[in-house]
Amino acid sequence: NAGVTQTPKFQVLKTGQSMTLQCAQDMNHNSMYWYRQDPGMGLRLIYYSASEGTTDKGEVPNGYNVSRLNKREFSLRLESAAPSQTSVYFCASSVTGGFNYGYTFGSGTRLTVV
Amino acid sequence: AQSVAQPEDQVNVAEGNPLTVKCTYSVSGNPYLFWYVQYPNRGLQFLLKYITGDNLVKGSYGFEAEFNKSQTSFHLKKPSALVSDSALYFCAVRDSGAGSYQLTFGKGTKLSVIP
Repeated sequence: NAGVTQTPKFQVLKTGQSMTLQCAQDMNHNSMYWYRQDPGMGLRLIYYSASEGTTDKGEVPNGYNVSRLNKREFSLRLESAAPSQTSVYFCASSVTGGFNYGYTFGSGTRLTVV
Repeated sequence: AQSVAQPEDQVNVAEGNPLTVKCTYSVSGNPYLFWYVQYPNRGLQFLLKYITGDNLVKGSYGFEAEFNKSQTSFHLKKPSALVSDSALYFCAVRDSGAGSYQLTFGKGTKLSVIP
């Protein structure tokens, strides 16, 4: 089925370890986004990529880096994980400009940093 | 700047009763408004949107929402709640006049439908 695929679904890291969260979409969307979801905080935008070759910071970018590898793939990297980065991470994609369709979300990555 | 508020952290309603989940927004231009639903351990799913036109929009699973420009609100409604409607609901807004295409989400409202 068409959609947004995130890997892994679950991950436990030790403080200071690094990891990359992968996201791929097969809907030919131009724009992709990374959000984190924390209880009582809703969804907060970490980084986004309006189109292939561009990336921009969102509301909470500190401690993260991103790569828009191609039109399909948008990865999120934690260089040195901290307990404050324990969260559920969602990737989303959308058609840029023709915004009538909203976002399509992946199923999330549940990350625990100990 | 664009923002959205969901004033209720939780809404409880009896099965069969009408439900309302509230949302208010702030934008400098015209709003694009969305509702999403999240079931446990799942990603967000699109329910409905308001872009322009009729103030009452209908979406998936029998949900509807009313856009009220004077009150800057976009409340989600359903005439008869089902237990299966129990989930986390997010309102989101984008300013049509803004230079970016980012959505800003509310903090979410947990809906519990009691049998």
